[in-house]
Amino acid sequence: RKEVEQDPGPFNVPEGATVAFNCTYSNSASQSFFWYRQDCRKEPKLLMSVYSSGNEDGRFTAQLNRASQYISLLIRDSKLSDSATYLCVVTLDTGKLIFGQGTTLQVK
Amino acid sequence: EAGVVQSPRYKIIEKKQPVAFWCNPISGHNTLYWYLQNLGQGPELLIRYENEEAVDDSQLPKDRFSAERLKGVDSTLKIQPAELGDSAVYLCASSLGTSGYNEQFFGPGTRLTVL
Repeated sequence: RKEVEQDPGPFNVPEGATVAFNCTYSNSASQSFFWYRQDCRKEPKLLMSVYSSGNEDGRFTAQLNRASQYISLLIRDSKLSDSATYLCVVTLDTGKLIFGQGTTLQVK
Repeated sequence: EAGVVQSPRYKIIEKKQPVAFWCNPISGHNTLYWYLQNLGQGPELLIRYENEEAVDDSQLPKDRFSAERLKGVDSTLKIQPAELGDSAVYLCASSLGTSGYNEQFFGPGTRLTVL
């Protein structure tokens, strides 16, 4: 079993749609959580951190459920420019970062 | 301010040849990471440096891979000899501190093709 699991998709949605991605992690010692965005043939860039209280940044909302070891990302009112791969990232208490496989979103 | 710099951007070599990648992190960033990314996969950590010390190299295949960060600034990752399965994108990243809460900034990567 992978330490961080994501549905690779692709998720094909029309503009204006709301789409949600999920991520599960197996290590209960996980300390911090992030979503990174990676455009095709580009490097990953931080999209947002994920907190237990949840956090929102414009059209993006991230949630963390420590009990279920589950992270989510919600994108509202999808834009063409949101098309990318979204990587779930977990940091262990040792400082080691583990990336998920990524979920590909295509907005049409 | 310059981001993370990597060179070369692309490299094509024949199997069994050596290859080296160079990374210069963002100025002032103490922590440096080397990742390997295969197509359709997330980055996988190879080695993490805090200043000049390799604090996590558990995923580095030490029979053929080596890395150094002698002065705690720029870093070199080497493969000798390269194998067909080493074809991938090699990403370098840096962060300001050692805490897992610090954002990582990635370079553009080196795309390696082994023939």
